[in-house]
Amino acid sequence: AQTVTQSQPEMSVQEAETVTLSCTYDTSENNYYLFWYKQPPSRQMILVIRQEAYKQQNATENRFSVNFQKAAKSFSLKISDSQLGDTAMYFCAFMRSGAGSYQLTFGKGTKLSVIP
Amino acid sequence: GAGVSQSPRYKVAKRGQDVALRCDPISGHVSLFWYQQALGQGPEFLTYFQNEAQLDKSGLPSDRFFAERPEGSVSTLKIQRTQQEDSAVYLCASSLDSLGLSQFFGPGTRLTVL
Repeated sequence: AQTVTQSQPEMSVQEAETVTLSCTYDTSENNYYLFWYKQPPSRQMILVIRQEAYKQQNATENRFSVNFQKAAKSFSLKISDSQLGDTAMYFCAFMRSGAGSYQLTFGKGTKLSVIP
Repeated sequence: GAGVSQSPRYKVAKRGQDVALRCDPISGHVSLFWYQQALGQGPEFLTYFQNEAQLDKSGLPSDRFFAERPEGSVSTLKIQRTQQEDSAVYLCASSLDSLGLSQFFGPGTRLTVL
């Protein structure tokens, strides 16, 4: 079974600053996908970024980037130039690769507050 | 519609009642997922459909939980004889691809069992 651990229940950052959210996972699989999802106070979950484990290059999406360390089973999210709209719960998630294994396993989340 | 919709948004049930939660996925999306999110926790997988076929129901917590997607579009999650521990937000997500790599989530149904 896979587990996802987010060790920071809450974090805060000043507007325009950079913040990094941590995520570690445990799996015996070699091929898998990792995700960061954002859940604003309205509760609709939004995909922020996805990383394929077989890719060494870290994924980036505008102000969001990841630091994927496969050997350490670490997958952190960096948010640059933080904006008030980034205030949300952030969930790290794991998906095993392969037929019949499409479920996401989520961590408990990190509540990020962006302070003006 | 433009996104995934769920109804009702809020449901209060007395213990022992049956409830039905509806999910309207994005049109054309092949995959549909149900998750249960307890207060202060991350979502937990319940079940997965590819079109009308329920390919994975390993996350359903008991035989009181039942899901269907008979025509490969709208899905219903039914909970029979609700218990207090069923209180949670039930999230539905759909994805254009069969793997669910880009899941679009609905706003959820908050179920409270008294």
